[in-house]
Formats: sequence, C-alpha cells, structure tokens
Amino acid sequence: AQSVTQLGSHVSVSEGALVLLRCNYSSSVPPYLFWYVQYPNQGLQLLLKYTTGATLVKGINGFEAEFKKSETSFHLTKPSAHMSDAAEYFCAVSDGYSTLTFGKGTMLLVSP
Amino acid sequence: SQTIHQWPATLVQPVGSPLSLECTVEGTSNPNLYWYRQAAGRGLQLLFYSVGIGQISSEVPQNLSASRPQDRQFILSSKKLLLSDSGFYLCAWTRGQALYNEQFFGPGTRLTVL
Repeated sequence: AQSVTQLGSHVSVSEGALVLLRCNYSSSVPPYLFWYVQYPNQGLQLLLKYTTGATLVKGINGFEAEFKKSETSFHLTKPSAHMSDAAEYFCAVSDGYSTLTFGKGTMLLVSP
Repeated sequence: SQTIHQWPATLVQPVGSPLSLECTVEGTSNPNLYWYRQAAGRGLQLLFYSVGIGQISSEVPQNLSASRPQDRQFILSSKKLLLSDSGFYLCAWTRGQALYNEQFFGPGTRLTVL
C-alpha cells in the first residue's frame, strides 16, 4: 500500500525567500511521485513528476524536487517565492497501476 | 489538445435530494477516469475510477455511485444526499497505462448540501 505524508498543513514565507514543502512517501513498489498545485476553487495542475532517471526534477514556475530513496522523501523547493505561488500543494505517489494516493496538502502563504 | 469539463460548477442541494454530476473529456480516447472529493483539511479522497466503459472501481463505500455510459463520460450520482456529501468534487483523466502518467483535473464542482 502507498501513503504520503506532507509535513505542515500551512507554510508561510516572505516574498523572495526559499520555499520548502516536505513530502515523505511509503510505497510497496518503485515509486512514481508527483507534485500538484491547486489555486482557490480550481482543479489541480501538475508541477512536476519523478518516474525514473535523474533524481532532481525540474518543473514549471521555477519549482524543483529531489527524490531521495534512502529518506523516502520528495521535497519541493523554489529558491525565491513569488506572491503568485500562494496556493495549496499536493504530493502524490502512484500505486503502480491506475491510482494516485495524495497527501493532505500544504497551503503556502506568501507575504510581501 | 485534450480538455476536461465538469458541470455544474456550483450546486446547492437539500438533504435527501438526488445528485448527478457530469464529467466529459475531449480530444482523447480510452482514458482512465477518476472522481475525487475534497473536503476542508482532508486532502483528496478518491471515490471511484474507471478504466473502461461500464467498469467502475469504488474506493470508499458510501451513498454515492458512478457510471461510465460512454468512453469519455463519467457521472457521479446519489439517490439521497447527506450533509457529509458537501465538498469540492474533482474529475480527472489519464491516458491508459497510467503507471506514471499524470492525471489531468477538471475545474471541479462545489457542492453544498443544506
């Protein structure tokens, strides 16, 4: 069975500061990992995904994530936060077949 | 290009009334289709998914049901709504062989049960 833990339901940063959103996973199969972003009252949009190969994955809007198998982690980072990054972020892991298991989400708050 | 539609966008229904939410996908064939519910502070809960016409897998037993009458149409229904059915309902699709293909989400339906 797969599970995802996102540490911190809310993360607050100042504009220009580093963004770090944490995700740890548990998977009984080689993990395929995803980060999604959700703006208020909208669907989810894919930021990036890890399947195989390079463990540092770059995504849209300047975000990147690093897959660390030994730590079972897939943390999302961005060097400099922008006001437009304020949203809810979800980490997800594939079950190896048809479904994704999502974490409970982390709301990113960006202050000027 | 592919697009996914959901309607209605918002819905307010009394307890005990029926429900029908519709999701359609354009620009692809044989997609896997998914219904999720998002309640405040609870993340995304997978309700149903379908890998083909008439094939429905239920993830959570409840008073909701799903149907897939056509390849690119996915319907979420209830005969009698409960207060606990309130939430944001999201439909998603992915290409077959969904091992690592991302899911594409619709705009969602906000359901309020009073």
